[in-house]
Amino acid sequence: TQLLEQSPQFLSIQEGENLTVYCNSSSVFSSLQWYRQEPGEGPVLLVTVVTGGEVKKLKRLTFQFGDARKDSSLHITAAQPGDTGLYLCAGPSSSNTGKLIFGQGTTLQVKP
Amino acid sequence: DAGVIQSPRHEVTEMGQEVTLRCKPISGHDYLFWYRQTMMRGLELLIYFNNNVPIDDSGMPEDRFSAKMPNASFSTLKIQPSEPRDSAVYFCASSSGLFEQYFGPGTRLTVT
Repeated sequence: TQLLEQSPQFLSIQEGENLTVYCNSSSVFSSLQWYRQEPGEGPVLLVTVVTGGEVKKLKRLTFQFGDARKDSSLHITAAQPGDTGLYLCAGPSSSNTGKLIFGQGTTLQVKP
Repeated sequence: DAGVIQSPRHEVTEMGQEVTLRCKPISGHDYLFWYRQTMMRGLELLIYFNNNVPIDDSGMPEDRFSAKMPNASFSTLKIQPSEPRDSAVYFCASSSGLFEQYFGPGTRLTVT
């Protein structure tokens, strides 16, 4: 069974601090996605990483896919209150076309 | 594009009543997913369709839950009879088969 484990589960920091969220698995994934969910809304796709070792940047957010394609990280530089939300990683199921496996999420609170 | 549309946004009902949740996917997307999200269990896949055909309903909790997709632009998730433990946020998502899913705003269901 493919599983994605995220850490930490909860993170509360002050505005301006840096942070890293991790998404780990014992299984190889062909790609991984990161979603952000704000309170009262559905998850919104931030990025997809496809190649092992790939690094993608989205303003202050840096996403990395592990060389072995079993893990990914999300680093936020100088966090802002607008970054507050639930961050979810997800990867395609190897056995079920079209189905995504989601991690349990990391809840981030950035205090002003 | 208007994105994935869900209705209603909030539903409060009494135990034993029938509840119908509705979803309009993004035009051109051939996959449609129904998820349930709770604090305890996170985001759970209930069922998904490809080209209007149910592919995997293994996540449907029990026979009280049913889902239909009569055409490419409409799907329903029905709970009959509803129970308090069904209280959750239900999301519909669609994709074009590339694993990058686009979520609706969700329906917050409260069963008293």
